[in-house]
Amino acid sequence: DGGITQSPKYLFRKEGQNVTLSCEQNLNHDAMYWYRQDPGQGLRLIYYSQIVNDFQKGDIAEGYSVSREKKESFPLTVTSAQKNPTAFYLCASRTSGGSDTQYFGPGTRLTVL
Amino acid sequence: KQEVTQIPAALSVPEGENLVLNCSFTDSAIYNLQWFRQDPGKGLTSLLLIQSSQREQTSGRLNASLDKSSGRSTLYIAASQPGDSATYLCAVHPYSGGYQKVTFGTGTKLQVIP
Repeated sequence: DGGITQSPKYLFRKEGQNVTLSCEQNLNHDAMYWYRQDPGQGLRLIYYSQIVNDFQKGDIAEGYSVSREKKESFPLTVTSAQKNPTAFYLCASRTSGGSDTQYFGPGTRLTVL
Repeated sequence: KQEVTQIPAALSVPEGENLVLNCSFTDSAIYNLQWFRQDPGKGLTSLLLIQSSQREQTSGRLNASLDKSSGRSTLYIAASQPGDSATYLCAVHPYSGGYQKVTFGTGTKLQVIP
C-alpha cells in the first residue's frame, strides 16, 4: 500500500535531549512537509522540502532541524533549543504539479518530561 | 496575512441530521480550498478540494461550496452518521506563493449521537 509512515507514534523526551521523528513515504512525491499541531490552533509549518537535498524554513523553524537525503525520507529533529516541544507532529507529502492534495502521515505525539 | 476561522469549534447533532460546517477566510485571492477530516490522534484525510474557479464539489454525502467574494466555504454533510464524528479542518491555498503558504483553520469537532 502506498502512503506515509511516521514513527514512533508516541515519544517522550527529557529536557535537554534532542530527538528525531521519522517520516517515510512511498508515493514518489517530490515535496514533503512537517507541521506542528497544538490544541486550539491550526497546523503550523515547521519545514518543507520540494526536492531532494533542498529544504526551507517554515513559520516556526526555530529549535528544529531536518534533512532530505532521499526522496522517500524527511526526518525532523527536535533540538534542546525548542522551548516548548510538546505537541502533535504531522508529516505530509505532495506531488509537484497535478493534484494539490497533501497526504498526511498518522502523526507523532511528543511529550517532554 | 491570511486568517482562517472555523465556527463553531464544536458541534453535536443527532444521527440522521443534515449539517453545515463553516470556514471563513480574510483574503479572497485564493488558489484553492481544501476540506480535511481528522480522527482523534490521527493524521488528516482529504475530503474535497475546490479550485478557485469552482463553486462546489461533491463526494457522496459531502458537498463543499466556495464563495470567494464573501470569503466563505461550507461543508454540507447529509444524513449524518456516528462514523462522521471527527474534527473537520479547512485549508486555504493562496493565489500567490507555493503550497507552503497554505493556512489551516483550527477545525470544528463534530459529534454525531446515535
